[in-house]
Amino acid sequence: AQTVTQSQPEMSVQEAETVTLSCTYDTSESDYYLFWYKQPPSRQMILVIRQEAYKQQNATENRFSVNFQKAAKSFSLKISDSQLGDAAMYFCAYRGSDDKIIFGKGTRLHILP
Amino acid sequence: GAVVSQHPSWVICKSGTSVKIECRSLDFQATTMFWYRQFPKQSLMLMATSNEGSKATYEQGVEKDKFLINHASLTLSTLTVTSAHPEDSSFYICSATLGVSYGYTFGSGTRLTVV
Repeated sequence: AQTVTQSQPEMSVQEAETVTLSCTYDTSESDYYLFWYKQPPSRQMILVIRQEAYKQQNATENRFSVNFQKAAKSFSLKISDSQLGDAAMYFCAYRGSDDKIIFGKGTRLHILP
Repeated sequence: GAVVSQHPSWVICKSGTSVKIECRSLDFQATTMFWYRQFPKQSLMLMATSNEGSKATYEQGVEKDKFLINHASLTLSTLTVTSAHPEDSSFYICSATLGVSYGYTFGSGTRLTVV
């Protein structure tokens, strides 16, 4: 069975600085998708970024980028120029051949003004 | 595009009664929807996969007779919590997808409190 592990329950970063959230996963599949979702206090799940496993190039979305290391099964999220609105719970997620999404336990990100 | 509407956003019910939660894809057809449960300060736990026109598939440990799922059309899936008890109090979220390359869109969630 696939698993997703986020080893950092909480992190803090100074406003305008850069922070990296870690995620590792375990799977025997070769074709899959990885996601980072943001859940603010409203609890609405918001897609931050996605990565197709067959693509070697790391995905980027404005201030958000990933470091995808397929062999190491690592999928970290880097947030540049952190803003107060980035404060939220961040979930790493895996989608395999069965279409189900499996979430990690999440990392709560605090932005310090 | 790809908006998922979930209703109600919160509900309080008495122990022993049933509660229905609706999940609608507003601008696309979703043959598959997913239902999650989230306890406070915890992650989302997949409960079941809702398939249009067929029976839902439940994850291990989820009681299918307690959590009834109906996916009668390409835009609507419902979750009914039957004979609710206080331990069923939780945050329930649905999701759907246009296609995996578009990611998964989530409803805004339903906070259920059973008293």
